[in-house]
Amino acid sequence: ETGVTQTPRHLVMGMTNKKSLKCEQHLGHNAMYWYKQSAKKPLELMFVYSLEERVENNSVPSRFSPECPNSSHLFLHLHTLQPEDSALYLCASSQVVTLASSADTQYFGPGTRLTVL
Amino acid sequence: AQTVTQSQPEMSVQEAETVTLSCTYDTSENNYYLFWYKQPPSRQMILVIRQEAYKQQNATENRFSVNFQKAAKSFSLKISDSQLGDTAMYFCAFLSYNTDKLIFGTGTRLQVFP
Repeated sequence: ETGVTQTPRHLVMGMTNKKSLKCEQHLGHNAMYWYKQSAKKPLELMFVYSLEERVENNSVPSRFSPECPNSSHLFLHLHTLQPEDSALYLCASSQVVTLASSADTQYFGPGTRLTVL
Repeated sequence: AQTVTQSQPEMSVQEAETVTLSCTYDTSENNYYLFWYKQPPSRQMILVIRQEAYKQQNATENRFSVNFQKAAKSFSLKISDSQLGDTAMYFCAFLSYNTDKLIFGTGTRLQVFP
């Protein structure tokens, strides 16, 4: 148990649906992340939040909309997705966003397996 | 830009044997961290071991140890006395002091057979 939970664990949606992924961390961390994990590809960092403010957006399509209402919760709102968006979406948290200077690391949730039909 | 390469998509090992997973990276920086993460079928990514680039001594965590060759930009993971519970995807990752981003490799799927 790493203290980072994600719901739902599995999600199947049509291209016209709207759904949300939820991430919650119980570690008292100040930074949270969304990653996309596709088969045979490196993890792709999507969004970074530090103290509820977005500090990184790696050219992610607007059909993915993150929300961080507080330092413990992170959402990823999904709408009009494409089949190529099917992947495992991982949430992570860390004490601070400046990992290297603080010798910190990230703690990952179990992921949401998303299938877009 | 930094890159991380894991050239072994899949590996297998018999229980109680030793296996080595390879990882190479490319960077022009001198200070950085390297990590090995394990992702079992449950999908929870777990940190296995961490190495600071400025340390010459190889990191060790119980049955897990690394062979860090800074000049060669190589960071292999050795698992001794392999156990069935070691079956998982293993990701090598690089953390830059400059960008502060974790860069992951594509992973190596390890299967431990009884």
